[in-house]
Amino acid sequence: DAGVTQSPTHLIKTRGQQVTLRCSPKSGHDTVSWYQQALGQGPQFIFQYYEEEERQRGNFPDRFSGHQFPNYSSELNVNALLLGDSALYLCASSSVQTSNQPQHFGDGTRLSIL
Amino acid sequence: EDQVTQSPEALRLQEGESSSLNCSYTVSGLRGLFWYRQDPGKGPEFLFTLYSAGEEKEKERLKATLTKKESFLHITAPKPEDSATYLCATNTGGFKTIFGAGTRLFVKA
Repeated sequence: DAGVTQSPTHLIKTRGQQVTLRCSPKSGHDTVSWYQQALGQGPQFIFQYYEEEERQRGNFPDRFSGHQFPNYSSELNVNALLLGDSALYLCASSSVQTSNQPQHFGDGTRLSIL
Repeated sequence: EDQVTQSPEALRLQEGESSSLNCSYTVSGLRGLFWYRQDPGKGPEFLFTLYSAGEEKEKERLKATLTKKESFLHITAPKPEDSATYLCATNTGGFKTIFGAGTRLFVKA
């Protein structure tokens, strides 16, 4: 049973560039959430997708956008990258039918901005 | 504003030395208190969910408890392999999960 998979594992970009991160949810899950985790901090909620729509958004600027596909996989796009965007980006999946249950996390994409 | 605070930030123990990690929360309408373990370079791994005050869950050397304002993760006779960052998180009924900053646990043999 495949868990949550994310790609790429590591990525290096320069300021001003754009980046796309990808996530495949755990089998049977239909909801995907994205988090940003700075070094030494807990994950910060970016947004959640269900039925290809953004359901809720955290305190992140419009430079952060996302998409969910019919197969439930998801992408996180970040435009006009800043040095402060350097972080571990985590994807978590869950099922809408068990919304109070814990989310399952991937191992993240480490994004470094030079 | 909903908030989750964990203490201490870091904890160093000798193997076999039991201790507790604290998670205090201020949320409107708790719908779940979660504990995760995170190893370096990995995503959080689920440990426990607690839903109501007085509830307790156990797994090997770990035991999680919940009151109306805080949760504790008790570690009994820890081993070096228990070294990790332990994260506490809450779900307040929306679609957003709020995490604390974590406690980094180091267990020395």
